[in-house]
Amino acid sequence: GENVEQHPSTLSVQEGDSAVIKCTYSDSASNYFPWYKQELGKRPQLIIDIRSNVGEKKDQRIAVTLNKTAKHFSLHITETQPEDSAVYFCAANTGGFKTIFGAGTRLFVKA
Amino acid sequence: GAGVSQSPSNKVTEKGKDVELRCDPISGHTALYWYRQSLGQGLEFLIYFQGNSAPDKSGLPSDRFSAERTGGSVSTLTIQRTQQEDSAVYLCASSLEYSNQPQHFGDGTRLSIL
Repeated sequence: GENVEQHPSTLSVQEGDSAVIKCTYSDSASNYFPWYKQELGKRPQLIIDIRSNVGEKKDQRIAVTLNKTAKHFSLHITETQPEDSAVYFCAANTGGFKTIFGAGTRLFVKA
Repeated sequence: GAGVSQSPSNKVTEKGKDVELRCDPISGHTALYWYRQSLGQGLEFLIYFQGNSAPDKSGLPSDRFSAERTGGSVSTLTIQRTQQEDSAVYLCASSLEYSNQPQHFGDGTRLSIL
């Protein structure tokens, strides 16, 4: 079955710096890759997603890149702000019902 | 409602008791998912519904866990003879279809087994 690994588990950056979170997946049939942000005590919320026919997608300060050959995808946050502090989860879906989530990255943005 | 609604938001119960958790998905969403999130951990997939049927129950941790969905809408997750290791946040999510669609999560039920 699909396995998703996420790194780093914890990331601390200075306000204004960029943050990068990387994920790898095992099933080459995976074709949908969402990213979720979960603030403390809150529900996970979708922040961006990418499908396998696209290599990069950007939404304001957030971008996601996908390398199908290497089976990895990354989340890039530029000009980080304190409100970006949260746990971020990557996920992969093969087109079936099961979405497999990474273990999460706890991002701290220091003011 | 506008989003996925879960109840209760918090549940404290004694070991050995049965609990029932409820999820009301976004109207029109045919797919519904249950996850378990232990403190500081990731999301553990439990079960998925497409309409009223659950094609795969292999994510349920033990036979003490069961789930049903009626009318293609509300779902209940039941845990019988609760154990302390069942303590976690139980999250429900729904999506338009089962395949390659964003999942919308509820706020979860925080379950504490004494």
